[in-house]
Amino acid sequence: NAGVTQTPKFQVLKTGQSMTLQCAQDMNHEYMSWYRQDPGMGLRLIHYSVGAGITDQGEVPNGYNVSRSTTEDFPLRLLSAAPSQTSVYFCASSPFANTEAFFGQGTRLTVV
Amino acid sequence: GENVEQHPSTLSVQEGDSAVIKCTYSDSASNYFPWYKQELGKRPQLIIDIRSNVGEKKDQRIAVTLNKTAKHFSLHITETQPEDSAVYFCAALNTGNQFYFGTGTSLTVIP
Repeated sequence: NAGVTQTPKFQVLKTGQSMTLQCAQDMNHEYMSWYRQDPGMGLRLIHYSVGAGITDQGEVPNGYNVSRSTTEDFPLRLLSAAPSQTSVYFCASSPFANTEAFFGQGTRLTVV
Repeated sequence: GENVEQHPSTLSVQEGDSAVIKCTYSDSASNYFPWYKQELGKRPQLIIDIRSNVGEKKDQRIAVTLNKTAKHFSLHITETQPEDSAVYFCAALNTGNQFYFGTGTSLTVIP
């Protein structure tokens, strides 16, 4: 049982580049979400999905896109990377929003 | 939107003592309140959660209390051990299925 698989673990981007962070879960969870974690600011919700075909914005969605074409996958796309997007990103999934969330291992992204 | 405040930001206790971390929230319709533990360089992991129709929940040395009227909830860890040292985050789920997290409490248990 792999749980939540998030890739890559580390990434360095140049300003203006785009990239996709991958997130996959094998637990048939309906609710999936992306967070960024910055020092002293806790976790902030970027985008979330309550099921395949449904996505919505969280607290800090600007500069990011998501899609949910299948229950298993929830990729996060950075459209044009900026230094302000340097952060640690976590993907999470849970059966429903109000149940235990399982987090991926995280991606440390640096934008130079 | 929701606003979750967490205190204290750092907490040091002697092994065997109790630790209490408090969070307040602003949206009275928020209905689910999980607590996560994050060890250095690791992913957050759920340690306990509580729903708005319950006032208190316990799991061995860990308990959470919820006061809906005052809009605050607290994490209680009894008989602390060095392995309890970590950063703890509270969170609140609003009716829009959005989570808002506190800024974290760094707990150090001194042997």
